[in-house]
Amino acid sequence: KAGVTQTPRYLIKTRGQQVTLSCSPISGHRSVSWYQQTPGQGLQFLFEYFSETQRNKGNFPGRFSGRQFSNSRSEMNVSTLELGDSALYLCASSFSPGPGQGVDTQYFGPGTRLTVL
Amino acid sequence: AQTVTQSQPEMSVQEAETVTLSCTYDTSENNYYLFWYKQPPSRQMILVIRQEAYKQQNATENRFSVNFQKAAKSFSLKISDSQLGDTAMYFCAFMMEYGNKLVFGAGTILRVKS
Repeated sequence: KAGVTQTPRYLIKTRGQQVTLSCSPISGHRSVSWYQQTPGQGLQFLFEYFSETQRNKGNFPGRFSGRQFSNSRSEMNVSTLELGDSALYLCASSFSPGPGQGVDTQYFGPGTRLTVL
Repeated sequence: AQTVTQSQPEMSVQEAETVTLSCTYDTSENNYYLFWYKQPPSRQMILVIRQEAYKQQNATENRFSVNFQKAAKSFSLKISDSQLGDTAMYFCAFMMEYGNKLVFGAGTILRVKS
């Protein structure tokens, strides 16, 4: 089974621009979560999508948004980029069983390295 | 809010020896899940091991095992017969029973020396 894929792997943008990152989950996985990794703040949860709906959200400004398509692929968008948005953005997918059925392990993609100049 | 603390920023171990990485967490929940992930220089986050809080038996995966102490809110990772390929950043992570969100510790850099 193919793993989680993320595109692009590297991205360089300038302040004020916007960017869209893409994540394709493992086949059969219905949940996609996004995380931001920086040297200063570590790994922080951005949001999670399940069945095309945002189910969980972290403490990030509204410039960070996402969506999920019917095939479970997800995109993350950051508008009006700031220097502090430079980070490794990791996507993780999981099967996400129903309520009361425990949790599934999240499997991560290779990440997108975003540099904001 | 849940927090995860890894008190060892860096550790090193000789090849073939055993090393233990520490992790403590804070939660008022009774049912939850704990994970160890490794992130080698390639930056790919890889699952090492998973522990369900309702299970008293410590999880084991080949050379990797955990010491889960629920009352003490401690979740350490033991790596036996360390190999050069174990060199990586290791993250301890917590997930509540409801809510598909991982809370990570700051990580421990492990260097395996030959």
